[in-house]
Formats: sequence, C-alpha cells, structure tokens
Amino acid sequence: DVKVTQSSRYLVKRTGEKVFLECVQDMDHENMFWYRQDPGLGLRLIYFSYDVKMKEKGDIPEGYSVSREKKERFSLILESASTNQTSMYLCASSLYFEQYFGPGTRLTVT
Amino acid sequence: AQKVTQAQTEISVVEKEDVTLDCVYETRDTTYYLFWYKQPPSGELVFLIRRNSFDEQNEISGRYSWNFQKSTSSFNFTITASQVVDSAVYFCALSEAPGTASKLTFGTGTRLQVTL
Repeated sequence: DVKVTQSSRYLVKRTGEKVFLECVQDMDHENMFWYRQDPGLGLRLIYFSYDVKMKEKGDIPEGYSVSREKKERFSLILESASTNQTSMYLCASSLYFEQYFGPGTRLTVT
Repeated sequence: AQKVTQAQTEISVVEKEDVTLDCVYETRDTTYYLFWYKQPPSGELVFLIRRNSFDEQNEISGRYSWNFQKSTSSFNFTITASQVVDSAVYFCALSEAPGTASKLTFGTGTRLQVTL
C-alpha cells in the first residue's frame, strides 16, 4: 500500500512566521504535489515536482515555495505566513496516473 | 484550459436510497483521464476509479458504478443502496495525458450525507 505521511495534522502559526510543511512517501514515486483545499473551491494545485530538485508552479504558487532534496520528501514553505493562507494542505504522490494523498495538515494562521 | 464541474454542492439521502453524483468536464485534449476520489471525515482522499478517454464502458464495483459519456462530457458516479459509511465529500478530477507529471484538475466536490 502507498503511504503518504504529513508532518502535522494541525498547526497554528502567527502572521509573518516561516512555516514548513513536510510530506514523505514510501513508494518511490517520481511525482509529488502540494494542494490547498478550501470550502467551495475544491483542491487547487500549489506546486508539483517530477524529480529530485525539479519543481513547477501550479495554479496558485504565490506566497509559497517548495523543496525536494530527496525523492521521498517534498516540503512546502510559507516564507511569511499570512491569514489568507489558513487552509487545509494536502500532499500527494504518483507514479503515472492516480495520485495518492496524505491525511492533510490543517494550518491556521493568526 | 481544463475544467471540472460538480454542480451538486450537497446531497442528503436516507440509507438504502440510490444516489448519483454528477460530473461534467471540459478539455481540449483528445487523450485524458477521469478520476473519482472520496474524502471521508478523516480528511484523507481515497482513490476510487480512473477512466481513460478511449474507454467508454461503464464500470461497476460492488455498490458503486460509473457512467462515462463522451458525447455529454460527463462522468457520473452512482451509489446503489447507500449506507451511512458512504457519507463523505466526493471529488471528480481530470488529468491531461501523462507527460512529465499528470496534474489533476479537481471539481469543487459534492458532500453526500446518508442518514438512517
């Protein structure tokens, strides 16, 4: 079974803090993705990576950056957290087609 | 640009009723893939099915069935004899043909509530 884990289920940060969200997958998948999920908006792609050190912007990359130093780990970075980044963040990985998701991190920025 | 529309925001049914979740998509690609995911209250999205654009056969898996119609750009999902455990948010998604990485475009989801 594919296992995607995320470092925290719940996180509370203050405005202006630097925030790291970590995602690890154990299936040697090439592709990894970060989404945010907001009510009424579904899932929106922030960034994705198709190989180590490779990254591409998704639909809403502003205010975020990512890092992929190892194949199994994909980090999402909020350089200076803002209240409009309060959301559920979902990480996923894939080999070809279907993506497998982690449990999500609910981030609150106060 | 690709787009997925799930017009039903919320559906409430009583256990044992059949329910259909609608999904309409837009794409200019001739080769594409369609997916359904389930998000139970625990939050983790669970993959249910993948369909490619060349395969219009309907699929049945237990109480779940999927109806893919290219003529109407729809990929609807029916749950027969619904159960309380089916309560979840269901997402339809569309992917371009796999290349460097198959990105998914999601609909906004349909929340299904099944009550006793």
